Amino acid sequence: QSALTQPRSVSGSPGQSVTISCTGTSSDVGGYNYVSWYQQHPGKAPKLMIYDVSKRPSGVPDRFSGSKSGNTASLTISGLQAEDEADYYCCSYAGSLIVFGGGTKLTVL
Amino acid sequence: QVQLQESGPGLVKPSQTLSLTCTVSGGSISSGGYYWSWIRQHPGKGLEWIGYIYYSGSTYYNPSLKSRVTISVDTSKNQFSLKLSSVTAADTAVYYCARTVLVPARVWFDPWGQGTLVTVSS
Repeated sequence: QSALTQPRSVSGSPGQSVTISCTGTSSDVGGYNYVSWYQQHPGKAPKLMIYDVSKRPSGVPDRFSGSKSGNTASLTISGLQAEDEADYYCCSYAGSLIVFGGGTKLTVL
Repeated sequence: QVQLQESGPGLVKPSQTLSLTCTVSGGSISSGGYYWSWIRQHPGKGLEWIGYIYYSGSTYYNPSLKSRVTISVDTSKNQFSLKLSSVTAADTAVYYCARTVLVPARVWFDPWGQGTLVTVSS
């Protein structure tokens, strides 16, 4: 069982927006403003999409945005494109360790 | 830009020690400012952080694996390594190495190596 809880799957049509949630506790997500998000296509390594809750690395489209409220962080993808179909993982510092969410499969219909 | 590449045996027998190396190119481990992590992904499952090392040799491990894990660094070869002892089938996974930003509580992994599948089987 993963430390952070994510929905197993979400879906949306091209052009729509989807939001993926990541729920933890006050010991991880809620305790620090430092959640990161990763995109993983099948058979590929994860790729950093968001860090420090809402910052985008260079090269990541501004369609990807992050936010946090209390113990829940969220990744929103607007203007969905076919290439956004992938697994997404959240990550947080948790004091004595680093924890990931269980992952969410995004399907672009 | 910095690139990482994992290498090591793809098959390990139960009870033996899994050994992997991550070679860093396009940047020096010794330059500081970053930690260097190992992360694994069980087949069809999520990600699990194993531990990280600084170029000075300071390490920190996931408490759930701490008794079996050793991460070391060889700055002369610009490599860092993972050893996981007493492996079982539950250690079958894709193992990734990743550069890690870790300022107290701030943490992210970028970039990642391509990953290497290690199967534990007799």
